[in-house]
Amino acid sequence: EVVLTQSPGTLSLSPGERATLSCRASRSVSSSYLAWYQQKPGQAPRLLIYGASNRATGIPDRFTGSGSGTDFTLTISRLEPEDFAVYYCQQYGSSPPEITFGQGTRLEIK
Amino acid sequence: QVQLQESGPGLVKPSETLSLSCAVSGYSISTGYYWGWIRQPPGKGLEWIGTISHSGITYYNPSLKSRVTVSLDTSKNQFSLKLSSVTAADTAVYSCARLPSLYYFDYWGQGTLVTVSS
Repeated sequence: EVVLTQSPGTLSLSPGERATLSCRASRSVSSSYLAWYQQKPGQAPRLLIYGASNRATGIPDRFTGSGSGTDFTLTISRLEPEDFAVYYCQQYGSSPPEITFGQGTRLEIK
Repeated sequence: QVQLQESGPGLVKPSETLSLSCAVSGYSISTGYYWGWIRQPPGKGLEWIGTISHSGITYYNPSLKSRVTVSLDTSKNQFSLKLSSVTAADTAVYSCARLPSLYYFDYWGQGTLVTVSS
């Protein structure tokens, strides 16, 4: 099983600032198989990024995914009030087929 | 617009079988894509349970595989989850979702809380 470790656990920033969220895998992950989600309280997760760097439909361009191998990053260039939420990375592994999630990073208003 | 809606009992007794359905609207599940289940214990992170293809091929989380069955009901345009021999550790919000490929989830249901308690 590929374990995804997200850091930091909590990130405290102000609107307008830049957020950098990290996702580290216990072994190499294909970039095609890495996704990021945003979850707000009481809501289902929302797909932000798939294939490590492809924005999902309707996702603002202030969200950028990057990385390869074992290190992936989600960057939010200028935080808007609606961006404060929990963010999860997720990977798919093919041998055996399985999906795992990171434990999440909570982005809170400073 | 694809929409997914979970339904099923909110309370299940220990050792019994948890059964949930996911009704899909806006797309015929027999046409294509993959369909999956994910759960989230209160205050905790996300755990993948299993995925089924439009043709009925299943993929399960190895840690749950011995207790999980995911199936399609194309006549009702829904898919289902059965989790047997439940314990309190299975208490969670259970969500269904669509996967455009095996790799990620693009549409999610709102989720339904299932509590395991006597």
